[in-house]
Amino acid sequence: KAGVTQTPRYLIKTRGQQVTLSCSPISGHRSVSWYQQTPGQGLQFLFEYFSETQRNKGNFPGRFSGRQFSNSRSEMNVSTLELGDSALYLCASSLEGFEQYFGPGTRLTVT
Amino acid sequence: AQSVTQLGSHVSVSEGALVLLRCNYSSSVPPYLFWYVQYPNQGLQLLLKYTSAATLVKGINGFEAEFKKSETSFHLTKPSAHMSDAAEYFCAVSDRRQGGKLIFGQGTELSVKP
Repeated sequence: KAGVTQTPRYLIKTRGQQVTLSCSPISGHRSVSWYQQTPGQGLQFLFEYFSETQRNKGNFPGRFSGRQFSNSRSEMNVSTLELGDSALYLCASSLEGFEQYFGPGTRLTVT
Repeated sequence: AQSVTQLGSHVSVSEGALVLLRCNYSSSVPPYLFWYVQYPNQGLQLLLKYTSAATLVKGINGFEAEFKKSETSFHLTKPSAHMSDAAEYFCAVSDRRQGGKLIFGQGTELSVKP
């Protein structure tokens, strides 16, 4: 069974731009969660989508948004990028949200 | 609210020695607990999970962890370290009433000396 895939793997953007990251979950998984990983703050939960509905949300500003499609694929969007948004963005999929399997991540650099 | 504390941001052991990575959690409800490993430039790999069955949980690559409710701990151990175990390890907690959100500890970087 194929694992979680994330595209693109690396991204360089300029302050003020917006970016969209994509995540394809393991086949049959209905839950997709997103996390931000930085050296200073560690791993922080962004949000979770389950069957196309946002079920959980972390403490991030509204510039961070997401959605999930009917095939469970998910996208995360960050608008008006700031330097502090530079991070590794990880998505994880699971059947019900508990046992999560992670993708390789998207490394976002904001200049 | 839930939280996780990993004691020791860096742990160094010799090859063949016991590995012990400490994790304490705080949760107002019975939790689910997880250990993940992250190798450089990769995502997180699930090592093992506690979901209220046996308190001693065995995972991949020879790792195991014991859930101790009285101590609110979920320490990760491996009897004999290999060079390939060098990586960063994360302990995480989840509210069993609703999935989707993992709260992670700050991570422990494990170094293995030859």
